[in-house]
Amino acid sequence: EDQVTQSPEALRLQEGESSSLNCSYTVSGLRGLFWYRQDPGKGPEFLFTLYSAGEEKEKERLKATLTKKESFLHITAPKPEDSATYLCALTSGSARQLTFGSGTQLTVLP
Amino acid sequence: DVKVTQSSRYLVKRTGEKVFLECVQDMDHENMFWYRQDPGLGLRLIYFSYDVKMKEKGDIPEGYSVSREKKERFSLILESASTNQTSMYLCASSLVGTETQYFGPGTRLLVL
Repeated sequence: EDQVTQSPEALRLQEGESSSLNCSYTVSGLRGLFWYRQDPGKGPEFLFTLYSAGEEKEKERLKATLTKKESFLHITAPKPEDSATYLCALTSGSARQLTFGSGTQLTVLP
Repeated sequence: DVKVTQSSRYLVKRTGEKVFLECVQDMDHENMFWYRQDPGLGLRLIYFSYDVKMKEKGDIPEGYSVSREKKERFSLILESASTNQTSMYLCASSLVGTETQYFGPGTRLLVL
């Protein structure tokens, strides 16, 4: 059974204080690793898809990386508007449905 | 831009009522999904559909059914609502051949 574990559960940063969120997984035959951002009371917003170890993708202050066992979401010089819950998910084998982690709640203080 | 819309942002229903949650996407996506999201449990898949009139059970289908009569519309039905179905319900869609799912804004359902 596929498993996705995100850490930490919650993270508080000062504005400008860079950090990383972790998503570790166990899966047979990874097809894709996904990062989403979710604001309170809203649906998840797609950020990145990674397909193979060594792949990296960037968007503004966010960079996602992938290894064979985990993915990191690096946040460089965060701003208060980056505060949200960040969700990691994956697809594997022939399945098209996503398996989600429980998320990391990020708070960036001004 | 992909747009997934859900018929209601908030719903309050009574125990035993039949509840319909509607989802519409405008990007001609073949795949559509229904999830529920609860604190501490994350997102869990209820049902999904790969094509019109096709449906498959997800991880927690009990107490739910779905309908997909048109490609752009996927409905979630609670046959007889119960208090343990109080939750945030999220609809998503994706294009065949890709796994990137795009989510709607969610419906927060309260069953009294």
